Amino acid sequence: DQQVKQNSPSLSVQEGRISILNCDYTNSMFDYFLWYKKYPAEGPTFLISISSIKDKNEDGRFTVFLNKSAKHLSLHIVPSQPGDSAVYFCAATVYNQGGKLIFGQGTELSVKP
Amino acid sequence: EPEVTQTPSHQVTQMGQEVILRCVPISNHLYFYWYRQILGQKVEFLVSFYNNEISEKSEIFDDQFSVERPDGSNFTLKIRSTKLEDSAMYFCASSATETQYFGPGTRLLVL
Repeated sequence: DQQVKQNSPSLSVQEGRISILNCDYTNSMFDYFLWYKKYPAEGPTFLISISSIKDKNEDGRFTVFLNKSAKHLSLHIVPSQPGDSAVYFCAATVYNQGGKLIFGQGTELSVKP
Repeated sequence: EPEVTQTPSHQVTQMGQEVILRCVPISNHLYFYWYRQILGQKVEFLVSFYNNEISEKSEIFDDQFSVERPDGSNFTLKIRSTKLEDSAMYFCASSATETQYFGPGTRLLVL
């Protein structure tokens, strides 16, 4: 039961260019979405989130876009830096104060100098 | 910046043994979670905990698993009789609202 899917296992981008990571979901009850960054042997680090009442949220180089009708969200990183190289997970939850996160499989981003 | 901490970072145990994984959530958070990630797979929810009781648990969280908040700071996950398939990274998380903050994880290896 893959309620959250990241169809690209890997992405390679040149330093300074835009990285676009995609995520699809199937459960229309999800109303809060998060992106996490993860290095090997470390825990997921929260990056940015978006509520379903919005279609865009921006924080510095990171922007998340939400298309509810398509059940699709994306994370844009501009400009990409070598330190951004990591695995990126999208996660979704139902807003009920303490709801479990459902994670995608992750996309490994490699930013080349 | 406050963070979630976990101990130990690594644990090796024999099949059938009990293990206790420890977590110190962020101090003003009220919701606590355990997740795990088997090598090469996605991060999976195990259990959530609020107001000294389990809020929700997954199918994975069977009778071999238990959680406890023994004092005002620690949050523990106990696996009573470990199986080979319990080998994974175990992550603790805590939240005040929808955003969950994760600890660095405990790598559990069951031999």
